[in-house]
Amino acid sequence: GQQVMQIPQYQHVQEGEDFTTYCNSSTTLSNIQWYKQRPGGHPVFLIQLVKSGEVKKQKRLTFQFGEAKKNSSLHITATQTTDVGTYFCAGQTDSWGKLQFGAGTQVVVTP
Amino acid sequence: DGGITQSPKYLFRKEGQNVTLSCEQNLNHDAMYWYRQDPGQGLRLIYYSQIVNDFQKGDIAEGYSVSREKKESFPLTVTSAQKNPTAFYLCASSLGTGATEAFFGQGTRLTVV
Repeated sequence: GQQVMQIPQYQHVQEGEDFTTYCNSSTTLSNIQWYKQRPGGHPVFLIQLVKSGEVKKQKRLTFQFGEAKKNSSLHITATQTTDVGTYFCAGQTDSWGKLQFGAGTQVVVTP
Repeated sequence: DGGITQSPKYLFRKEGQNVTLSCEQNLNHDAMYWYRQDPGQGLRLIYYSQIVNDFQKGDIAEGYSVSREKKESFPLTVTSAQKNPTAFYLCASSLGTGATEAFFGQGTRLTVV
């Protein structure tokens, strides 16, 4: 069945540094979504990528969807303490299919 | 306010008892989902429903049951057959038409003693 894998599981970052988290699917996806969950909270939608090779930016966050639509990445530049949380990718194999989440990357920022 | 509501926020039950978690949305969404999250873990799909009166098993459906009799409601029953029910349960909904974002409820933290 469809599996979505995410690495790394944990990321300790010094404030001001950049980091990247990666998401890989065992099957071709129709779209991939990224969510952020703050400690003690619930996942909140960040962005959705649909097209092969698509790149989207949200301020210091850059999201990319691979050419084969089987992988994605989230790059954060100049990390701030507000970036603390767990970042999840979630993929669908078709628009009506189940939303399958990766295990998430837990980000800890050191001031 | 439009949104998705889970209740209660905290729930304690004795081992061997069935318990039902509530999930209601007034977003007019077709698709609804139940996920389980364990400490330091990702979201594992329990059940999902794309339309009223229809639902499918996710990756860890054993020991759980759902119903979707109304568009706005998708209750989850944790049965006594679930071997390790203590977890954080998240309900989500999405439009279901095309690729659309999921909106999550605040979650229910279930503790079985």
